[in-house]
Amino acid sequence: QSVLTQPPSVSAAPGQKVTISCSGRSSNIGSNYVSWYQQVPGTAPKLLIYDNNKRPSGLPDRFSGSKSGTSATLGITGLQTGDEADYYCGTWDSSLSAWVFGGGTKLTVL
Amino acid sequence: EVQLVESGGGLVEPGGSLRLSCVASGFTFSSYEMNWVRQAPGKGLEWVSYTSSSGSTIYYADSVKGRFTISRDNAKNSLYLQMNSLRAEDTAVYYCARATGGSYRNDYWGQGTLVTVSS
Repeated sequence: QSVLTQPPSVSAAPGQKVTISCSGRSSNIGSNYVSWYQQVPGTAPKLLIYDNNKRPSGLPDRFSGSKSGTSATLGITGLQTGDEADYYCGTWDSSLSAWVFGGGTKLTVL
Repeated sequence: EVQLVESGGGLVEPGGSLRLSCVASGFTFSSYEMNWVRQAPGKGLEWVSYTSSSGSTIYYADSVKGRFTISRDNAKNSLYLQMNSLRAEDTAVYYCARATGGSYRNDYWGQGTLVTVSS
């Protein structure tokens, strides 16, 4: 069982918007930056969002991140079939002295 | 261009050992923290171990503590993971990832190397 909680799956139609939640505790999300990763099956994870809401250079602004208290959210607008992937949140847990990830959310673009 | 290339994976019997390597290029390896992250077949990401840029600070997941050892050779731009007393549940693709403490992000990942523990 993962320290961070994500919904197992979300789905939406092309062009629509979807949000993926990530719930934690005061020792992880509540006190540290959150990052988000996209993983297309069979490939390595790719950093999407860091420091809660920053995008790496070159990433389209269709991807956004936010954090409030002990929860974080990834938003994707203008969904494309190429966005189908698994998405993971991650941060540091100060109590565990461990990096932690969510269990992952599978995005299906219908 | 930042590149991380893992090697050393393979098939090993339960109780056996394996040493993974990760060679870095395209950045100043000695300035960056590094992580090992694994992914069991069909499962999510699981953090395994962390090392600071100098190797002076190291952390392990409880699931591997006492069995795995992370190390680095900054002169060779290389990161290692010595895995002993391997179990079936250690079967996974192992990724090395460049880390940034404070921000707690892994901004570059290798392609991964598969470790299979089976008799």
